[in-house]
Amino acid sequence: QSVLTQPPSVSGAPGQRVTISCTGSSSNIGAGYDVHWYQQLPGTAPKLLIYGNSNRPSGVPDRFSGSKSGTSASLAITGLQAEDEADYYCQSYDSSLSEGVFGGGTKLTVL
Amino acid sequence: QVQLVQSGAEVKKPGASVKVSCKASGYTFTSYGISWVRQAPGQGLEWMGWISAYNGNTNYAQKLQGRVTMTTDTSTSTAYMELRSLRSDDTAVYYCARVRTVTTSLGYWGQGTLVTVSS
Repeated sequence: QSVLTQPPSVSGAPGQRVTISCTGSSSNIGAGYDVHWYQQLPGTAPKLLIYGNSNRPSGVPDRFSGSKSGTSASLAITGLQAEDEADYYCQSYDSSLSEGVFGGGTKLTVL
Repeated sequence: QVQLVQSGAEVKKPGASVKVSCKASGYTFTSYGISWVRQAPGQGLEWMGWISAYNGNTNYAQKLQGRVTMTTDTSTSTAYMELRSLRSDDTAVYYCARVRTVTTSLGYWGQGTLVTVSS
């Protein structure tokens, strides 16, 4: 059971918009700790997609955006492309556990 | 460019120890920390811990306390993760990643090291 909760899967057709939620609690996201998002393509290491809730590293398309409110965060992907098919993970820090925490991951399928 | 290059795959017996290395290049090693993350086959990411390359401070996942030790060698810009008393459920790909602090994002990742625990 992950400290951060994500839907196991989402799907969308090419060109559509999808969102992936990440729900935490008052000891992690709600405590003000930043949320970061990672994309993991099959057989590869994860790649940083969004840092500090809503910031994109250089090279990440602006089709990807992040937001945070209260004890939750979201990743939005617009203009879905086949190459976006991957697993997506949110990550934050938990002050009760005194450790970093990941969501369980969400598999995005492009129909 | 920032690179993290990890040591090769390992096969260990239950009860043994494994030590994975992560050699950093392309940045000032002591200005960042290193986090370790593992991923069991077909499973999600699990945060294992963090070490400051500046002063050696560590923060380990409660689940691994007592079995894991993270160290750095600033002379070679290399981080190490040692896991002891290995069990079959420690079988996973182990990743190192560069971070600023324990709460910040994992900006650059190593290629991963597969550790297989099997009798």
